[in-house]
Amino acid sequence: NAGVMQNPRHLVRRRGQEARLRCSPMKGHSHVYWYRQLPEEGLKFMVYLQKENIIDESGMPKERFSAEFPKEGPSILRIQQVVRGDSAAYFCASSPPGRISYGYTFGSGTRLTVV
Amino acid sequence: KQEVTQIPAALSVPEGENLVLNCSFTDSAIYNLQWFRQDPGKGLTSLLLIQSSQREQTSGRLNASLDKSSGRSTLYIAASQPGDSATYLCAAPGAGANNLFFGTGTRLTVIP
Repeated sequence: NAGVMQNPRHLVRRRGQEARLRCSPMKGHSHVYWYRQLPEEGLKFMVYLQKENIIDESGMPKERFSAEFPKEGPSILRIQQVVRGDSAAYFCASSPPGRISYGYTFGSGTRLTVV
Repeated sequence: KQEVTQIPAALSVPEGENLVLNCSFTDSAIYNLQWFRQDPGKGLTSLLLIQSSQREQTSGRLNASLDKSSGRSTLYIAASQPGDSATYLCAAPGAGANNLFFGTGTRLTVIP
């Protein structure tokens, strides 16, 4: 019973390139959440998705960032034209449908470095 | 908006000591609170989930308490071991929010 799978674990991009981070939720989980952890800071919510729907994107930067969770396949967090300030650890979490009270399970994260 | 605060920011204890980590939250209308552990460069491991109807949860040497009325939770670690060294994070949802709000964590070092 695999947990939340994120890949890649580490990603290096040059300024101006695109970064694509993938997250496969736990089996049976249909809710996905993305969080960002900047160096020496706490985790900040970015976006909450269900299959084919963005439910809450109140934490997403207004430009360059987008997220999707298609009917088939993993959830994707996409960062266009990356800048040095995007360097951070990006974590994905999942929860069962309608059961946020059951708590979240987090993946191991993707560490993005922009050079 | 929910705000979660953790004190102390860092803590060093000798092996074998019992210790308490503190977490406070501003919005007491929570339905649960979750404690996580994060090792350097790693992801988050869920330690304990306390539902709003519960006052405490136990798992091995860990015990977490929840006092909604005062907006506080504590994580008690008994007989600490060097392997307990990590950052401990407290997280609570906000009223009507779909996400968790995290504290900045307590970095624990257990000295052999």
